[in-house]
Amino acid sequence: QVQLQESGPGLVKPSQTLSLTCAVSGASLTSGDNYWTWIRQQPGKGLEWIGYIYDNGRTSHSPSLKSRVTISADTSKNQFSLRLNSATAADSAVYYCVRGLILTGYSLDYWGQGTLVTVSS
Amino acid sequence: DIQVTQFPSSLSASVGDRVAIACRASQTIRNFLNWYQQKPGKAPKLLITAASNLQSEVPSRFGGSGSGTDFTLTISGLQPEDFATYYCQQSYFTPYTFGQGTKLQI
Repeated sequence: QVQLQESGPGLVKPSQTLSLTCAVSGASLTSGDNYWTWIRQQPGKGLEWIGYIYDNGRTSHSPSLKSRVTISADTSKNQFSLRLNSATAADSAVYYCVRGLILTGYSLDYWGQGTLVTVSS
Repeated sequence: DIQVTQFPSSLSASVGDRVAIACRASQTIRNFLNWYQQKPGKAPKLLITAASNLQSEVPSRFGGSGSGTDFTLTISGLQPEDFATYYCQQSYFTPYTFGQGTKLQI
């Protein structure tokens, strides 16, 4: 059974960096079938795709977040991370780490429980 | 970016009803369309992949259809546990955009 668990600060000050980590169990980060993904959901809003990491370090992320996003992986710990620079109130959201399964044309089949991050002074 | 428009944004129905939720992409996405169900305070749950492939353990009252730009999620014989918000997502081109969601209410 694949399990994902997000961790990180629940409160970030404006202009600082939002950093989250996702610990994965039941699947390997080095598996070529899996795209390790970050999704967020602002309060009361819909789902927003942030980006993913795959194939031992290749990444793709949403252009709307421009160069603020970095997704990385630590294969020795089987975890991946999200860093979002220059955080603003608009980045306040529940952040989910998710497995994207390429065998089904990239569907998000296993989700973490989500972690709420608030950007506020 | 591929825009994904989902409608209606909200839908009222009763137990036992049949409902349909539509999703339209701004360009062809072949069958690269997934459907998710989300209940309050919970992570979304994958229901359907590749437009029409039901995930295991998802009840057969759920069905998906469509290809190209127009897709539909159908729920036949609504059960109390089906009242939730539903999202479609295109996985044809990054960024993998979601529809705005459809809130299915009693």
